[in-house]
Amino acid sequence: NAGVMQNPRHLVRRRGQEARLRCSPMKGHSHVYWYRQLPEEGLKFMVYLQKENIIDESGMPKERFSAEFPKEGPSILRIQQVVRGDSAAYFCASSEIYNEQFFGPGTRLTVL
Amino acid sequence: AQSVTQLDSQVPVFEEAPVELRCNYSSSVSVYLFWYVQYPNQGLQLLLKYLSGSTLVKGINGFEAEFNKSQTSFHLRKPSVHISDTAEYFCAVSNSGGSNYKLTFGKGTLLTVNP
Repeated sequence: NAGVMQNPRHLVRRRGQEARLRCSPMKGHSHVYWYRQLPEEGLKFMVYLQKENIIDESGMPKERFSAEFPKEGPSILRIQQVVRGDSAAYFCASSEIYNEQFFGPGTRLTVL
Repeated sequence: AQSVTQLDSQVPVFEEAPVELRCNYSSSVSVYLFWYVQYPNQGLQLLLKYLSGSTLVKGINGFEAEFNKSQTSFHLRKPSVHISDTAEYFCAVSNSGGSNYKLTFGKGTLLTVNP
């Protein structure tokens, strides 16, 4: 049973470009969570999604960031017009309802 | 708001020595507590969790942790470490009620086990 998959593992973007981070949950999991780890910081919750629904986006920056989890395909975290401060590791986790979150290996985003 | 403080950013130890990784939290409500481990180039893996009941929690790979409510601590211990325990360890907390999916993490402690 494959774990949580994230791609790409490393992403380099120039300021002003768009970044798309993908997360495929574990088989059978319908709940997805995104976390961000800034340099020298712990992971911070961004958003919780179920299929086709955003349940809690209280940790998402108000502008430029969006997330979706469509009926088919992976969950996508999209960052528009990236800035240097967006450089971080972005982790995705998935779970069955009310159960342990299983984490992916993360995507390291570098903004030049 | 909740917060987690991991007091040591790096802990070097020799193989077969005991180790304690410290974690303190701050919260105005009842909490669940977790320890995760991250090996290089891998995702975070749950080591153990405290939800309720006995304050001494045993996890995988010989690790255990003790919940101390009065000291708001959840320190991780192992009596004898192996080289393979070298990894980054994260302490995390969530509400025990609503929104208990929302984990708040500490900055991590890098455990390095030397031969």
